[in-house]
Amino acid sequence: NAGVTQTPKFRILKIGQSMTLQCAQDMNHNYMYWYRQDPGMGLKLIYYSVGAGITDKGEVPNGYNVSRSTTEDFPLRLELAAPSQTSVYFCASSYRLKNTNQPQHFGDGTRLSIL
Amino acid sequence: AQTVTQSQPEMSVQEAETVTLSCTYDTSESDYYLFWYKQPPSRQMILVIRQEAYKQQNATENRFSVNFQKAAKSFSLKISDSQLGDAAMYFCAYRSEKGAGSYQLTFGKGTKLSVIP
Repeated sequence: NAGVTQTPKFRILKIGQSMTLQCAQDMNHNYMYWYRQDPGMGLKLIYYSVGAGITDKGEVPNGYNVSRSTTEDFPLRLELAAPSQTSVYFCASSYRLKNTNQPQHFGDGTRLSIL
Repeated sequence: AQTVTQSQPEMSVQEAETVTLSCTYDTSESDYYLFWYKQPPSRQMILVIRQEAYKQQNATENRFSVNFQKAAKSFSLKISDSQLGDAAMYFCAYRSEKGAGSYQLTFGKGTKLSVIP
């Protein structure tokens, strides 16, 4: 099992460019998440999805968009890259969480720099 | 909103010794879950241990154990017989049982653990 796979691992963008961060999981998890990790900080939730066709905002959604057309894939879109979006992005997935202690399983992260 | 505080930005331990990492959290909820994640230099987030708030018994996973004090809102991680491979950033995380917060892990800022040979 590959678990949660993120691509690319590194990327440099110019201000105003757009890109999509890819995330795929092969564990048949219902839930998927996108987090960002700024230097010296813990992770903060950007968006999450509880199933195909269903997404919702997390703590820091501004400047991002997501879609969930399949159970396996949860891409994150940056439309107009800004320096404040320089960060490490983590995708995660889990089984249904409510009333369980199910952990979230993380990908290896994408380091994104906006110059 | 819940907050998670890790008051030790950095810690060090001699190989084979024991170290305790601190975590406190602020919540008005009675049902929730707590986690410790390890992030080595490879950047991968690895689950170390988890605890349900309704369980009084402290969780253990091999050399890792927690001291969960619900009334004090404290959730410390003890690493016994420290190994070089334990060197990493350690994050404490909180998740609500109900509502929108049940989908979100709230992380502390982390503690960087160094293991001295």
